Amino acid sequence: ETGVTQSPTHLIKTRGQQVTLRCSSQSGHNTVSWYQQALGQGPQFIFQYYREEENGRGNFPPRFSGLQFPNYSSELNVNALELDDSALYLCASSGGQGSPGIANTEAFFGQGTRLTVV
Amino acid sequence: AQSVTQPDIHITVSEGASLELRCNYSYGATPYLFWYVQSPGQGLQLLLKYFSGDTLVQGIKGFEAEFKRSQSSFNLRKPSVHWSDAAEYFCAVARRSNAGKSTFGDGTTLTVKP
Repeated sequence: ETGVTQSPTHLIKTRGQQVTLRCSSQSGHNTVSWYQQALGQGPQFIFQYYREEENGRGNFPPRFSGLQFPNYSSELNVNALELDDSALYLCASSGGQGSPGIANTEAFFGQGTRLTVV
Repeated sequence: AQSVTQPDIHITVSEGASLELRCNYSYGATPYLFWYVQSPGQGLQLLLKYFSGDTLVQGIKGFEAEFKRSQSSFNLRKPSVHWSDAAEYFCAVARRSNAGKSTFGDGTTLTVKP
């Protein structure tokens, strides 16, 4: 196991609702990245948080937002859910002391949250 | 922009046979390269990674991969496949110094015949 925990493991939401997914990073890691993995595809980078600030974003609309807390845990929020948001959402923990560029040579993934939008 | 292509969507091999999964990447400089394995409904487990140095890297579970700069490839190999190797395999590329910002291929599904 990687030490990265995500909650909940599964959830079902209705189109138009909002959802919050949570991730606890591995001890000693200060960087959290979020990915969306649709069925049959590879993970797609949503955004990354470093020391509570967004540090890069993929091609996702603003209704995908995030937070990182002082203990480096993180949340992913999705507003106005659409059917296409149904996917496995993965959190990855990385980094150590200093910037994301230092000792950021490996990302440790959680087990994911399976979101179904109906 | 960086990208990864895994040309084989699905591969079937017999148990005990050798395996090679292909990965081609596009990146403007020397990248970080990774291979991950994913069992159904699970997260990603890192098999191996390449940053620099020896172009043949060893990983867990008996896997190895070879970085070929001239071909922009990072193919994964295993000399003898076990039934437990059946899974989805993903190749990924990241900008140097930030493994958290990776670009993944669409994966190769490995089926192992008894």
